Parts: sequence; C-alpha cells; structure tokens
Amino acid sequence: EDQVTQSPEALRLQEGESSSLNCSYTVSGLRGLFWYRQDPGKGPEFLFTLYSAGEEKEKERLKATLTKKESFLHITAPKPEDSATYLCAVRPDSNYQLIWGAGTKLIIKP
Amino acid sequence: DAGVTQSPTHLIKTRGQQVTLRCSPKSGHDTVSWYQQALGQGPQFIFQYYEEEERQRGNFPDRFSGHQFPNYSSELNVNALLLGDSALYLCASSLGGDTGELFFGEGSRLTVL
Repeated sequence: EDQVTQSPEALRLQEGESSSLNCSYTVSGLRGLFWYRQDPGKGPEFLFTLYSAGEEKEKERLKATLTKKESFLHITAPKPEDSATYLCAVRPDSNYQLIWGAGTKLIIKP
Repeated sequence: DAGVTQSPTHLIKTRGQQVTLRCSPKSGHDTVSWYQQALGQGPQFIFQYYEEEERQRGNFPDRFSGHQFPNYSSELNVNALLLGDSALYLCASSLGGDTGELFFGEGSRLTVL
C-alpha cells in the first residue's frame, strides 16, 4: 500500500536555528515526490518536485533532498515567516492522485 | 492572473442534506482535482476531472460526485451528508494533470451538524 509518513508532527525552533523535516514513503514506483507549504486556513502552496534519488532542490532557506525511501526538507536559519505546516506527497506510477503525509507543523520563535 | 477560486468559503449543513461546492481553475489550466482535508491531516484525493471526464477516483463513496464544465470549472456534490464529511474541501488545478505541481484554492470549510 502506498504510504507517506512525516516526522516530527510538530517542531519548535528559535529564529536562526537550522533543522530538518523528514518524509518517509513506500510507493509502487515513484513518479515524483512533492513538498508543499500550508498556512492556517489556506490551501497548500507548491514548493518542490523531486523525481529521483540523489536529486536536490533549493529555494531561499529551504533545501529538499531525496533518497529511495525518504526525503528531507532542510531549513537553514529560519525566520518567523517560515512558520507553517509542511506537507510531503508522492505520486505513484500510473496514477494521477497524490498520496499525502499528515504534515509537520513548524513554529519559528523570534 | 487569477488563481484558483472556490465558493463558498464556509458553509454549515445538517445531516442528510446535500451540498455543492464550486471551483474555477487557474487561468490556462484544464485539469481539476478535489481533495478532502480533515483537521490535522493531509489531503485525501477524491477525484480528478480532465476534458469533462472523471479521470481517476479515490476511495470515496458514490455520495461524492462531480462535474467539469467546458470552461474547465468544476463542481463537487456531496449527497446524504454525514457528520464525518465535515472537512476542508480543496480544489487544485493543473495543466494536463500529468504533474504533481498543483495550484490550490483556499478551500471550502464544510461543517455538518
């Protein structure tokens, strides 16, 4: 069964304190792995797509990496505006749907 | 450039009633997917519409149905509402549907009493 597990459920950091969020997945053929950010009361906002093990993508203070079993979202020197829930999703082969994790709620304190 | 718009933003229904939610995709997008998101959970795929046809369906009962119009806008209908249908309903648009880069609306918050 295709499945995505994110950890930790919640993470509190001081401003400037770097850390990583984890996304573990099992999927019958990976078409792509996706990271989204969701602010309270809003829909998810696309961040990155990763297609194969070893691939990395960066955007401002965020960097996403991918292995054959998991992905990491690294946050370097975060700011309070980085506070949000970060969602990971996978798209299995021959499938149009995304399978989502429950998310990691990130809180950055000034 | 207008993004994905959904209506209504909030609504309250009672058990057994029916509801229709509406979505206009981002300009230039031809594919609409609907997701249900319970509080504290990730979105769950309901179905995807492309070229006015339901292209794929998730594990939702037949009470959930949809439609896509020639202008690519879409509706989600839920019949015989249950308490468990209370959730945020998200519409996402994309081009061709062959991508995980989805553009989401802000959702319709449904409360069933």
